[in-house]
Amino acid sequence: EIVMTQTPLSSPVTLGQPASISCRSSQGLVHSDGNTYLSWLHQRPGQPPRLLIYKVSNRFSGVPDRFSGSGAGTDFTLKISRVEAEDVGVYYCMQATQFPYTFGQGTKLEIK
Amino acid sequence: EVLLLESGGDLVQPGGSLRLSCAASGFTFSSYAMNWVRQVPGKGLEWVSVILAGGGGGTYADSVRGRFTISRDNSKDTLYLQMDNLRVEDTALYYCAKEPVGYLDLWGRGTLVTVSS
Repeated sequence: EIVMTQTPLSSPVTLGQPASISCRSSQGLVHSDGNTYLSWLHQRPGQPPRLLIYKVSNRFSGVPDRFSGSGAGTDFTLKISRVEAEDVGVYYCMQATQFPYTFGQGTKLEIK
Repeated sequence: EVLLLESGGDLVQPGGSLRLSCAASGFTFSSYAMNWVRQVPGKGLEWVSVILAGGGGGTYADSVRGRFTISRDNSKDTLYLQMDNLRVEDTALYYCAKEPVGYLDLWGRGTLVTVSS
């Protein structure tokens, strides 16, 4: 099983300032088809998760361009260029390269 | 509107059974793999199972293999999860999620399963 480790687990951020979340996998995430199935999800309190980024760096439909994803191999990063109030909640990375699909522990983004 | 709606969650005793359903609308259900993911309230996400677009056998997390069975009826645009021999540790909010390839782009709001005596 591929273990996904996120840091930090909690991130207090000032509105308008940048934020960054790291996700490290215990094995490389390149699939045999050449794709890297690393995605980022955001979950607000009381809501289901919603997809932000797929295949490392592709923004999903409707996701603001202040969100960006990067990385390769076993190290991946989600960046928010300027945090807005609606960005609070928990962020998860997820790998779907190998079964079982696995998630990071989650990073709670809070406003200072 | 593109939507997934789960149902079937309930309070059940350990050792009992339950069948969850997930009704899809607004997209071509038969073209996508579908997943179940669960979340203990206040905790993280745990992937449970996936079934390919055409159905057939599913793939399972070790924690549920042999007890849970995923299936789908593409004529009814509905995904199912048959849960047998339930354990206290299966208590969670169960989400269904649509998978194009390698990511989950649409999630339902979940249905709550509570296993307790």
